[in-house]
Amino acid sequence: TQLLEQSPQFLSIQEGENLTVYCNSSSVFSSLQWYRQEPGEGPVLLVTVVTGGEVKKLKRLTFQFGDARKDSSLHITAAQTGDTGLYLCAGEDDYKLSFGAGTTVTVRA
Amino acid sequence: DAGVIQSPRHEVTEMGQEVTLRCKPISGHDYLFWYRQTMMRGLELLIYFNNNVPIDDSGMPEDRFSAKMPNASFSTLKIQPSEPRDSAVYFCASSITDNEQFFGPGTRLTVL
Repeated sequence: TQLLEQSPQFLSIQEGENLTVYCNSSSVFSSLQWYRQEPGEGPVLLVTVVTGGEVKKLKRLTFQFGDARKDSSLHITAAQTGDTGLYLCAGEDDYKLSFGAGTTVTVRA
Repeated sequence: DAGVIQSPRHEVTEMGQEVTLRCKPISGHDYLFWYRQTMMRGLELLIYFNNNVPIDDSGMPEDRFSAKMPNASFSTLKIQPSEPRDSAVYFCASSITDNEQFFGPGTRLTVL
């Protein structure tokens, strides 16, 4: 049973459009992390959120952590083809990461 | 600086054979993690080590799987005997205490 549910499973948009992916947890973790994984490579950490209500911005990416620390979202503004990849959220407890199934994002030129 | 190094990158073997996957963590990192990624189950933690000592192996699927870390710069994940359902991408990751985990490029295992 996946502790972390991600939606949507697939997302295809045109370059320049905005997109949001969601991560909902049945549990509260010590922290929640977002990763991006490209084909043939391992996941790469984008951000870690810890505090309920926290908002972090990384250039065109905005990450929000829900007040109850059970849900999170990733919003990309003006998507570029380089944003294409598998976006994974992961809950962390005692150094262990539990991953969601991921959202496959395709940005078309 | 070199990141996490895994070998081989691809492995094709026949059912019943022994498979050994290798990992060299980033120098100075004291945590090492082994993950498995499949389409059906996503990315799952198999086992992790701290200072070369296995801390949690609850994710290891069954006795056919074993992992060792004989020193701070080397770890192996062994499957004996291998089965077709073990086909997956196996990732090794390392970190310093509770900081960011750095993932290797993975080993794609195919068991025929």
